[in-house]
Amino acid sequence: KAGVTQTPRYLIKTRGQQVTLSCSPISGHRSVSWYQQTPGQGLQFLFEYFSETQRNKGNFPGRFSGRQFSNSRSEMNVSTLELGDSALYLCASSLPGGSDEQYFGPGTRLTVT
Amino acid sequence: AQSVTQLGSHVSVSEGALVLLRCNYSSSVPPYLFWYVQYPNQGLQLLLKYTTGATLVKGINGFEAEFKKSETSFHLTKPSAHMSDAAEYFCAVTMGSSASKIIFGSGTRLSIRP
Repeated sequence: KAGVTQTPRYLIKTRGQQVTLSCSPISGHRSVSWYQQTPGQGLQFLFEYFSETQRNKGNFPGRFSGRQFSNSRSEMNVSTLELGDSALYLCASSLPGGSDEQYFGPGTRLTVT
Repeated sequence: AQSVTQLGSHVSVSEGALVLLRCNYSSSVPPYLFWYVQYPNQGLQLLLKYTTGATLVKGINGFEAEFKKSETSFHLTKPSAHMSDAAEYFCAVTMGSSASKIIFGSGTRLSIRP
């Protein structure tokens, strides 16, 4: 079974631009979560989608948004990029349920210049 | 509120030596506990998890962890370190059924000396 895939793997953008990142979950997984990982803040939860609905959202500004499609694939969008948005963005998929572990993709490394 | 504390941002051990990575948690209800490993330029991979039942949990790559409720700890151990164990390790806790309730520790970077 193929793992979680994220595209692109690396991205360089300029301040003020917007970016869209994509995540394809493991087949059969309907829950997709996004995390931002930075050296200073560690792993921070962005949002979670289940059956095309945002189920939970972390403490990030409205510039960060996401969506999920009927095939469970998910995208996240960051508008008006800031230097501080430079990070590794990780996507994880899981089956519903608190004890089910999340399977992480390799991440998208975003650099904002 | 839940929280996770990993003691030591960097741990260095010799190849063949015992690995001990410390994790303490705070939770008002019985938690689910996880250890993840992250290799450079990769996502996180689950090493092991505790939900209920046996408090000594065995994971992949020879790692194990013991849930100690009285000490609110979930330390990760491996009897004999291998060079390939060099990575960053994250302890995590959740008590809910959705990702937003998963709290990650700040991570411990494990280095292995030849």
